Amino acid sequence: NAGVTQTPKFRVLKTGQSMTLLCAQDMNHEYMYWYRQDPGMGLRLIHYSVGEGTTAKGEVPDGYNVSRLKKQNFLLGLESAAPSQTSVYFCASSSQGAGRSPLHFGNGTRLTVT
Amino acid sequence: QQQVKQSPQSLIVQKGGISIINCAYENTAFDYFPWYQQFPGKGPALLIAIRPDVSEKKEGRFTISFNKSAKQFSLHIMDSQPGDSATYFCAAGWGGNKLTFGTGTQLKVEL
Repeated sequence: NAGVTQTPKFRVLKTGQSMTLLCAQDMNHEYMYWYRQDPGMGLRLIHYSVGEGTTAKGEVPDGYNVSRLKKQNFLLGLESAAPSQTSVYFCASSSQGAGRSPLHFGNGTRLTVT
Repeated sequence: QQQVKQSPQSLIVQKGGISIINCAYENTAFDYFPWYQQFPGKGPALLIAIRPDVSEKKEGRFTISFNKSAKQFSLHIMDSQPGDSATYFCAAGWGGNKLTFGTGTQLKVEL
C-alpha cells in the first residue's frame, strides 16, 4: 500500500547539471502532477499528465521536462539546473483530476542547486 | 483571477481553542474547494472538501464554511490540539483537472 513514491528524497546539484526525479503510483490513477513548493508561495504546478503518453504544461514549466511512458510512472527532468530551481518537489496523482477529486501526494524531493 | 488568497500566514492557538483560516477567490468558475494538511517532511494530504451547493461541511473537529456570494470559504478547527500543528492549504478547483492553491497557513497549537 505504497501510494505515491518519489525518488530520491534529497539531492544537491551544481548549476548546469541535469537530473531526473522519479514518481511512481500504485493506485491506477490516470492523472499525475508535479508541483514545486517554495516558502510563502504555496504549491505551484509545473507539468501534469491526464493519461499514459500525455503531458501538459502547468503554471511554471520553464526549465523542466516530463515524460509519462507508463501509466504508473511520471518523470520530471531538469536539463540544466539553476539556483532558482532550489525547491521541494512533490508528485501527486488523482483518479478523476485535481479539480474534482483528492490529490495523493508523495513525500517530496528536496533539491538544492548551488 | 485564478488566485486564491489565504490568511493568516501563521497562527498560534492555545490547546482547546478554535483555529480559523480564511480564503477568498474571484473566479466564479471554481466548483471544488478542498483543504490540505501538511506535516513537516511530508506531502500534503486532503483534509476536507466542499462544493458550492452547500454552505457548511463538518468532519469531526474540522468544519468548512462556504459563502458563495462573498466568494469566501474558511476552515474551522474546534478544540485544537498540538497534533493539529501543521501547514494548511486551501485550494479551488474547476474544469475537472484545474486546481490552484492558497499560499498556506502555518498553525501552531500550544499547550
